[in-house]
Amino acid sequence: GAGVSQSPSNKVTEKGKDVELRCDPISGHTALYWYRQSLGQGLEFLIYFQGNSAPDKSGLPSDRFSAERTGGSVSTLTIQRTQQEDSAVYLCASSARQGGTGELFFGEGSRLTVL
Amino acid sequence: AQKVTQAQTEISVVEKEDVTLDCVYETRDTTYYLFWYKQPPSGELVFLIRRNSFDEQNEISGRYSWNFQKSTSSFNFTITASQVVDSAVYFCALSEIGSTLGRLYFGRGTQLTVWP
Repeated sequence: GAGVSQSPSNKVTEKGKDVELRCDPISGHTALYWYRQSLGQGLEFLIYFQGNSAPDKSGLPSDRFSAERTGGSVSTLTIQRTQQEDSAVYLCASSARQGGTGELFFGEGSRLTVL
Repeated sequence: AQKVTQAQTEISVVEKEDVTLDCVYETRDTTYYLFWYKQPPSGELVFLIRRNSFDEQNEISGRYSWNFQKSTSSFNFTITASQVVDSAVYFCALSEIGSTLGRLYFGRGTQLTVWP
C-alpha cells in the first residue's frame, strides 16, 4: 500500500514476555519515528531514525525498549520483559524530508495490551 | 511542563455549527513549527496543517481555518459548518528547531463530537 504499514494491529501478551512491533514506512521516506499513545501520557515521542541510524533515542522510557531499522526501510520496536504500563498504542510515522519539518505520515498503530 | 496545551478535552456540537479548538504552546525557540492532526476512530493520525513561526498569516482550507497569534502563543483551529464526519480527536503539536525536527510535542487532544 501507499501508506505507513504497522503490524500487528493488536497484540496481547503476558507480563514478562518480549514483543516486537513492525513498521513499514512509505517507500523513499528516509526519516522514521516511533511514538506511543496512552491514556495516562498522551502522545509521546520514542525514537527517530534517519536512514538506519538513530540520532535521537531519548524518548525510549527504559532499557527494555530498543529499536532498529534495516535497509533504510522497515523498523522494528522491541520491548523486553513487558510490564503492564507498556500497554499503549505504538504509532510509527515517516517523512520524506530529513528531520521531518514537513508532514509526518502516521500508520494506524499497534495496540499492545500487557496482561 | 506541557509545551502544548489543549484546554478543551471534549466538545459537542450539532451539525452545521461552527466550532473552534484552542491550542496554546510554549517554547523558547524563535523558529518552530505548529501542526494540527486529526485522529478518527481508525486511529491513524491525519495531517491537517503545518505553520512555521515566521508566518502568522491565517489560513483557510475549505471549511477549516487556522488563527496563529504569536502574541498569545496560540494556534486555534476553526471548523465552519461542522459535519458528522468531522467527529474525531484533534491534536495540536509543536516542533522546535532546537530539537530533533519531526519530534512533535503533542497536546492531549480535543475530542470533537458532531451530532446530526
